[in-house]
Amino acid sequence: GQSLEQPSEVTAVEGAIVQINCTYQTSGFYGLSWYQQHDGGAPTFLSYNALDGLEETGRFSSFLSRSDSYGYLLLQELQMKDSASYFCAVRDSRDDKIIFGKGTRLHILP
Amino acid sequence: KAGVTQTPRYLIKTRGQQVTLSCSPISGHRSVSWYQQTPGQGLQFLFEYFSETQRNKGNFPGRFSGRQFSNSRSEMNVSTLELGDSALYLCASKGLALADTQYFGPGTRLTVL
Repeated sequence: GQSLEQPSEVTAVEGAIVQINCTYQTSGFYGLSWYQQHDGGAPTFLSYNALDGLEETGRFSSFLSRSDSYGYLLLQELQMKDSASYFCAVRDSRDDKIIFGKGTRLHILP
Repeated sequence: KAGVTQTPRYLIKTRGQQVTLSCSPISGHRSVSWYQQTPGQGLQFLFEYFSETQRNKGNFPGRFSGRQFSNSRSEMNVSTLELGDSALYLCASKGLALADTQYFGPGTRLTVL
């Protein structure tokens, strides 16, 4: 079936680097997206990988490897405001449905 | 540019009632998607509309329906509410610039008693 797997929680220290992984099981998709959601807020778009490789946007980078069915979001120089949930998402190319992972809760320690 | 707006923000209903939620996308966006978010299931896709046509539908019962108007505003309706329908309902709009970059509204928090 179609599914995206992410760790449910990750903990890191302020100023450090953290990687949130996303593995997927779908035969084909158009690209991998990442969203951030703070408690009580709406998801906001972070990045999109249409092709394999690394996309960098400021402190955030995202990586995709279609051959490994794997992607990750990398957050550098962590700040307390980065404490949030992070979701990966794809649009399945077979049925055009949008699938989200269940999200990774990032806890940041001072 | 104004963001995605959703009304109402909070709603309390009782079992068996029906509810209609509204979403206004970002100006110029013709694609609107709806999601149900619950703590246990995360974000689950309900349906997607483009230019008044339903492009796709998630795995939800027929009690969940939606529509899109010529001005791209969208509504979703849930009939015969069940306790399990309590959730945050999110609407997202998408332009044509970058595939699947969705802009989410603040959501409607529905509580079914």
